[in-house]
Amino acid sequence: GDSVTQTEGLVTLTKGLPVMLNCTYQTTYSPFLFWYVQHLNEAPKLLLKSSTDNKRTEHQGFYATLHKSSSSFHLQKSSVQLSDSALYFCALRVNTGNYKYVFGAGTRLKVIA
Amino acid sequence: EAGVTQSPRYAVLQEGQAVSFWCDPISGHDTLYWYQQPRDQGPQLLVYFRDEAVIDNSQLPSDRFSAVRPKGTNSTLKIQSAKQGDTATYLCASSSRDNMAEQFFGPGTRLTVL
Repeated sequence: GDSVTQTEGLVTLTKGLPVMLNCTYQTTYSPFLFWYVQHLNEAPKLLLKSSTDNKRTEHQGFYATLHKSSSSFHLQKSSVQLSDSALYFCALRVNTGNYKYVFGAGTRLKVIA
Repeated sequence: EAGVTQSPRYAVLQEGQAVSFWCDPISGHDTLYWYQQPRDQGPQLLVYFRDEAVIDNSQLPSDRFSAVRPKGTNSTLKIQSAKQGDTATYLCASSSRDNMAEQFFGPGTRLTVL
């Protein structure tokens, strides 16, 4: 079946360091991948999305590239800030005639001073 | 443009009690999703609708959970007899048919079953 794997449950980093949050997926459909960010007690909000192979997409300093050959869509940022502390979800959208989303378990990013 | 709205924002129940959650999607969005999000975990799809039709409810515990969207706009998710394992945040999201469209999430209802 369709699935998304995020290997890190918690990532703790000092402010100013780079980060990469891993996301791999499995599907037999044409993949459309999303990254959502969820701050404490808030709704998930879209951070990035892509369905184009090998094209980097960027938003708010975060970037990711969909690699269909390795079924990956890792999230990166060159310098994390305290305000980046949040829960990050990778999601796969499959089109079966209707759009269905499958979410990973999430990675909590904690940025310390 | 108004976002997805949900009510109530919080609910605390004893086991065995019933509760209903209400969702008003973004105007014009034909697809509506209900997710269960246990603490510090990813959202897990319970059911989703296109207009008033249920597209997939295979993950909905059918003996105690039910969901309707009678006019293809607002939706209600009901838990008939809550269990402690139902403690989670219940998120509603909506989207349009545009291929490039994203899901927009509501603020969620945080349910605690004692």
